[in-house]
Amino acid sequence: GAGVSQSPSNKVTEKGKDVELRCDPISGHTALYWYRQSLGQGLEFLIYFQGNSAPDKSGLPSDRFSAERTGGSVSTLTIQRTQQEDSAVYLCASSLLYLTAGERGEKLFFGSGTQLSVL
Amino acid sequence: AQTVTQSQPEMSVQEAETVTLSCTYDTSESDYYLFWYKQPPSRQMILVIRQEAYKQQNATENRFSVNFQKAAKSFSLKISDSQLGDAAMYFCAYRSEYGNKLVFGAGTILRVKS
Repeated sequence: GAGVSQSPSNKVTEKGKDVELRCDPISGHTALYWYRQSLGQGLEFLIYFQGNSAPDKSGLPSDRFSAERTGGSVSTLTIQRTQQEDSAVYLCASSLLYLTAGERGEKLFFGSGTQLSVL
Repeated sequence: AQTVTQSQPEMSVQEAETVTLSCTYDTSESDYYLFWYKQPPSRQMILVIRQEAYKQQNATENRFSVNFQKAAKSFSLKISDSQLGDAAMYFCAYRSEYGNKLVFGAGTILRVKS
């Protein structure tokens, strides 16, 4: 597609339920990020995928959170046994690393996020 | 760990006027990148401007420019000739030269008055 696509746009769930959030990155982008944006706060890094390398999971807040990226493309963020404090906007971004004239560059393209509300 | 601080939760500017958004950061690294992102109500983050720490010249993109003070670890964004479409949440972000994640500030809401 033309940009990063996330689904669903909004998700309301009950405490204790599992949820899956989907991200379709821009075709050809090797890097994919998940961020969480809580109300009134900046973006919090969750996880990073780059090509076939092991993902950087250092931002996942608990073992209830997991993510996978199948075939180097689509990614799914799963939250098990959701809690009210998980309510936030979950943003996905993809990027392509480049090297131009000896300068390393990367431009992130963000999706519109999934607004998760846990009741 | 690196931190990014935006001390202005909210700012207002009159249409056609100039406004400056503040950002400070803390790092022990010498090579890094700094960014300003805009987040309109659609939630989609849009890159406004980027600055490489090794470059002394301040980055500019049309009506947007930065004042990068490396020694002071300050990175402010100046918006000239403000337009109604500039109204959004603005985030300052930091990335290490060899890192793979952006560290964001808490954001500044910019309101533009007509």
